[in-house]
This record gives sequence, C-alpha cells and structure tokens, in this order.
Amino acid sequence: QSALTQPASVSGSPGQSITISCTGTSSDVGAYSYVSWYQQHPGKAPKLMIYDVSNRPSGVSNRFSGSKSGNTASLTISGLQAEDEADYYCSSYTTSNTVVFGGGTKLTVL
Amino acid sequence: QVQLVESGGGVVQPGRSLRLSCAASGFTFTINGMNWVRQAPGKGLEWVAFISSDESNKFYADSVKGRFTISRDNSKNTLYLQMNTLRAEDTAVYYCAKRGSSWYYFDSWGQGTLVTVSS
Repeated sequence: QSALTQPASVSGSPGQSITISCTGTSSDVGAYSYVSWYQQHPGKAPKLMIYDVSNRPSGVSNRFSGSKSGNTASLTISGLQAEDEADYYCSSYTTSNTVVFGGGTKLTVL
Repeated sequence: QVQLVESGGGVVQPGRSLRLSCAASGFTFTINGMNWVRQAPGKGLEWVAFISSDESNKFYADSVKGRFTISRDNSKNTLYLQMNTLRAEDTAVYYCAKRGSSWYYFDSWGQGTLVTVSS
C-alpha cells in the first residue's frame, strides 16, 4: 500500500488561508469518505483535526475544514495563526481493510 | 481525560523480539478498539495494527504482518504489541492510539515509545 501524496511544504502569512492536498487512488481516498487529518507539532504526538473528510472533533477550531473530490482530499486552514505551524498528515481507510497515511506536509507561518 | 502511556521501548538487535505496552485510563477501555501507529525518525506516520474491543478483529499493515502481534488485556486496561524478527526499518517511535467512532481514525494518542533496532 503506497503512501498518499502530500506536498512536502506549504506556507502562508498570518490571517491568510492555505490548502493542503492529499492524493490517493480509487482504493483509498476515492473509495470512501473516510479521510482524516492530523496535526503534529515537533516532539509531540499527533492530534486529530478532521475525520470522515469534513468533520471536526469537539475542541478543534472551525478555521480548519476538509473536503474531497475524487481521489484527492484537501485540508484548508483559514485565518492562519502562528500556532498552526506544524506538520500535517492525511490518512484514509483502504479497500484492504488497512489505513494509509500521507507523507506529511510542513506548514510554515511566515 | 484520556491517558495513554506507552512503555517497553529500547535498543534491540536485528532479529530479536520486543513487547510494547500501552496503559489506558480515562475512558472505557473494554469497549474501544485500539491501534498502534509508528513514526521513523524524521519520517511520516505509518499505521501498524488494529485490535477490536473483544479481540475478534485484528488488522495489520503488510510491513509487519506475520512478525508483529497486537493483543490486549481488558482486565488490566492494557494494549500490547509483540514485535518479533525485528529489522532496522522497524526503528521508530511507536504510538498507541484510541479509535474514534470508527476504527480507522484515531482520536487520542499516547506520547510514544522509541524502539531502535541496531547491532
């Protein structure tokens, strides 16, 4: 099972919006609406930000939103803040009854 | 609140075995499926294995299938990962992660335990 494809890095200025893409195949992202997104700060455990493509867990800011079209999912962060600087990973359930992650995207807030 | 505390990591030679533990508290462990996820140094996340609440379902990543075994002791609120025939590429921080409303996403994570496979 190959990893999902994410850009290595994205950047934006405070207050701006950025979007991180996550491209898979018809066996994972395209097969179900079961994409999740995680935020990881250096040296910390990952934190769930989005599940089932566009649902936010309790306590996650509504500045974070998710969507999907075909084999590509996206995470959008609006009103960028300094604390959003972190690594972001997408994941998807697969037709093989496994979970596959993306390679991760480093978000820099300029 | 949910607490997951991993232990059992360390340095081990290639081909040897190691067992990781994850002590759970702050939620009803006995009705929740659990996962292991790992992260090699400086690399991305990799899902390793899932176990259902009653151990009736266990799923594994191809990279560990046949070498790793996930299990749990509901009387001790503890999750395990038995790792056999370890390879250098198994070197990683291993996280235990509680499932969300579906098993394939993870709503709580431990802080991880580092496993280094080296001669």
